[in-house]
Amino acid sequence: AQTVTQSQPEMSVQEAETVTLSCTYDTSENNYYLFWYKQPPSRQMILVIRQEAYKQQNATENRFSVNFQKAAKSFSLKISDSQLGDTAMYFCAFRETSGSRLTFGEGTQLTVNP
Amino acid sequence: ETGVTQTPRHLVMGMTNKKSLKCEQHLGHNAMYWYKQSAKKPLELMFVYSLEERVENNSVPSRFSPECPNSSHLFLHLHTLQPEDSALYLCASSHLTGGAGANVLTFGAGSRLTVL
Repeated sequence: AQTVTQSQPEMSVQEAETVTLSCTYDTSENNYYLFWYKQPPSRQMILVIRQEAYKQQNATENRFSVNFQKAAKSFSLKISDSQLGDTAMYFCAFRETSGSRLTFGEGTQLTVNP
Repeated sequence: ETGVTQTPRHLVMGMTNKKSLKCEQHLGHNAMYWYKQSAKKPLELMFVYSLEERVENNSVPSRFSPECPNSSHLFLHLHTLQPEDSALYLCASSHLTGGAGANVLTFGAGSRLTVL
């Protein structure tokens, strides 16, 4: 069974600075997808970024980028130029190439301070 | 309306009550999901419906009963719940086809359930 681990329950960062959230996973699959979701206080989960395991290039979406290390089974999220609106719970998630199951980590609560 | 809409946003019920949570998606997706989110625990997948057919039932107690009358609507019927069932229940939808763009879940804002 796949597992996803986020070892940082809480993190904080000053506005405009950069922060990195960690995620590791365990799988025997070679092809799969990885995701970062954000859940602000409004509770609605929003997709931040996704990565296909067969792609070596790290995904980027504006201020959000990932560091995907397939051999180490690591998938960290970097947020540059942090904004107050980035304050949220961030979830790392894994999905096999086939199938419908999305496995989530426990989440990291990020607080951006003014 | 667009996106995934869940009602009610908040629900308080006694252990002997019967209530239902409703989810509606306007995205043309062909799969819908119920997740349970409890404090300090990963999201737990409860049910998956693909083309209105239940394709996954993750060992959920029978006091939770899902219903998917069509591809746009999903219900979670609740009866004789326990206090430990208090949680945020999230509905999501997606396309179930190949590729990373597929099965990117779009979530609703959740229904906060409190069982007294």
